[in-house]
Amino acid sequence: SQQGEEDPQALSIQEGENATMNCSYKTSINNLQWYRQNSGRGLVHLILIRSNEREKHSGRLRVTLDTSKKSSSLLITASRAADTASYFCATDRTGANSKLTFGKGITLSVRP
Amino acid sequence: DAGVTQSPTHLIKTRGQHVTLRCSPISGHKSVSWYQQVLGQGPQFIFQYYEKEERGRGNFPDRFSARQFPNYSSELNVNALLLGDSALYLCASSLASLGTDTQYFGPGTRLTVL
Repeated sequence: SQQGEEDPQALSIQEGENATMNCSYKTSINNLQWYRQNSGRGLVHLILIRSNEREKHSGRLRVTLDTSKKSSSLLITASRAADTASYFCATDRTGANSKLTFGKGITLSVRP
Repeated sequence: DAGVTQSPTHLIKTRGQHVTLRCSPISGHKSVSWYQQVLGQGPQFIFQYYEKEERGRGNFPDRFSARQFPNYSSELNVNALLLGDSALYLCASSLASLGTDTQYFGPGTRLTVL
């Protein structure tokens, strides 16, 4: 079963705009990770945020985590056409023993 | 350094056949996980192996099995293939033994069952 629910399911923006993607989950977690996938290929790890962290930055990416609301957001600033991809949140649930649970993903289209 | 490699890239099988998918982790990584990704969905966890021992199993039937070799490479075997087994099979390696850390994914094997 899918733990994470991303929102929106699809997002279309203009190059240079910011893209915000949200993820909600149901059970307590050890960490939450965001991945990117281009055209059905392998996933690329973007960022990991642990349950005791509230915000993390990596280049143009900013991730927040609110464990009280069981939600996370991924912000991509100054988007580029090359950011067009599917984005997934994945949770490492407490007690789930070595397993990542992925959401269904968000399709981001960045128009040149 | 080479990333995670998987073979074959694409595979076409018929119902009832058997398939073996292979994965080589990043050098130094002792943990390998397998995921199934059906079109339009997120990856679903199948197995995790660490130091040749199974450390986690997802909700998949016994037709799915895996093993890890002394060099930490891994095989995923699927018996009695069904049409619903058509998917992208992803392998990921990591340093972590228990729990999860950054997972490094291979390009996947696209399996089509006719």
